[in-house]
Amino acid sequence: DAGVIQSPRHEVTEMGQEVTLRCKPISGHNSLFWYRQTMMRGLELLIYFNNNVPIDDSGMPEDRFSAKMPNASFSTLKIQPSEPRDSAVYFCASSSIVQGGVQPQHFGDGTRLSIL
Amino acid sequence: AQSVAQPEDQVNVAEGNPLTVKCTYSVSGNPYLFWYVQYPNRGLQFLLKYITGDNLVKGSYGFEAEFNKSQTSFHLKKPSALVSDSALYFCAVREDTGRRALTFGSGTRLQVQP
Repeated sequence: DAGVIQSPRHEVTEMGQEVTLRCKPISGHNSLFWYRQTMMRGLELLIYFNNNVPIDDSGMPEDRFSAKMPNASFSTLKIQPSEPRDSAVYFCASSSIVQGGVQPQHFGDGTRLSIL
Repeated sequence: AQSVAQPEDQVNVAEGNPLTVKCTYSVSGNPYLFWYVQYPNRGLQFLLKYITGDNLVKGSYGFEAEFNKSQTSFHLKKPSALVSDSALYFCAVREDTGRRALTFGSGTRLQVQP
């Protein structure tokens, strides 16, 4: 079975440019999570969706960050304009909501973002 | 608010010896607890979870974890370590109601020496 697919795997761009990260969750999963991982701050939740609806975006750093989930099989995380401090590994994860059960999150392999 | 503490940045163990990676948590309600492992340049992989029931939970690759409610701990264990177990391990928690998002610990690097 295909896991969570993220693209690109690596992105290097200059400060001020727009960056778009993409995620395809596991088919049938109805929760999607965006995380950021850095050495200094560890793994931080940015935003999560249930059934394509954003539920909690309190982790989004500032207005430069936005996330969308136009359908059940696709999500984007956009940074505009990008800054060097946005350099990190960004992970997407998905899970299923099961009545009476708690399912683990499945992670993609991440996008390593470097802002010069 | 929910939180997780992993008090050790790194754990070193010889191959064949038992290993323990420590985790303590704080939640308002009942906890759902998880362990994940991360290999270099990869995403986190699920190892095991505690939801309810037996305090000893068995997971993938021979790992197990013991839930201790009085000590609010969920330590990860394995009877005999392998060199291939060397990786970064994360403990995570969420409450049984409300917010579905996990809170992760800072991670513990496990180094198994041959």
